[in-house]
Amino acid sequence: EAQVTQNPRYLITVTGKKLTVTCSQNMNHEYMSWYRQDPGLGLRQIYYSMNVEVTDKGDVPEGYKVSRKEKRNFPLILESPSPNQTSLYFCASSSITNGGTGELFFGEGSRLTVL
Amino acid sequence: RKEVEQDPGPFNVPEGATVAFNCTYSNSASQSFFWYRQDCRKEPKLLMSVYSSGNEDGRFTAQLNRASQYISLLIRDSKLSDSATYLCVVSASPRFNAGNNRKLIWGLGTSLAVNP
Repeated sequence: EAQVTQNPRYLITVTGKKLTVTCSQNMNHEYMSWYRQDPGLGLRQIYYSMNVEVTDKGDVPEGYKVSRKEKRNFPLILESPSPNQTSLYFCASSSITNGGTGELFFGEGSRLTVL
Repeated sequence: RKEVEQDPGPFNVPEGATVAFNCTYSNSASQSFFWYRQDCRKEPKLLMSVYSSGNEDGRFTAQLNRASQYISLLIRDSKLSDSATYLCVVSASPRFNAGNNRKLIWGLGTSLAVNP
């Protein structure tokens, strides 16, 4: 089954405790991206990757890091989480071969609370 | 003015009703348009792309009006399972290319509740 898998799905942590949210896709997609979704602000892009070892900032990258060492994985790292990073996070992937259809496939989301 | 604007609703309609949502966008250079559906606390899923000539998929019809810079989504014969938030997405890029993020601008969504 084609899917994007995120872990953990739910996490409560404390300020300053480093955490990683993993994302893996099995569709051989070149493009992967992280979004956060907050009430009244909608979906905002954090980081994206066009392919292995190619990453770039989205609209709200502060406080986050990513890496793309393998095509299927795109982890999101919060080095020192703060309460304003409490949010619902989505990983997404898409094919860019031949221009791609533009459809983004999303993971089920990771709800993060930073106390 | 927001780049993509939607009426947040909620739209409360009875089963079987026809309901329409509009979404306006500010960038006249926008090239591609989509409707995504998001169920409560779940991930967005593509409902349909919106083509210049308009397109239909079963009970759903999407239209694009470039002159007035809006897209619309029409749902006929509403079902209880149509209850969700509908997100309008716009991009200035027609497609992904190597090195092109194909920046997507997301609306905040329109909430639909279909009642028995």
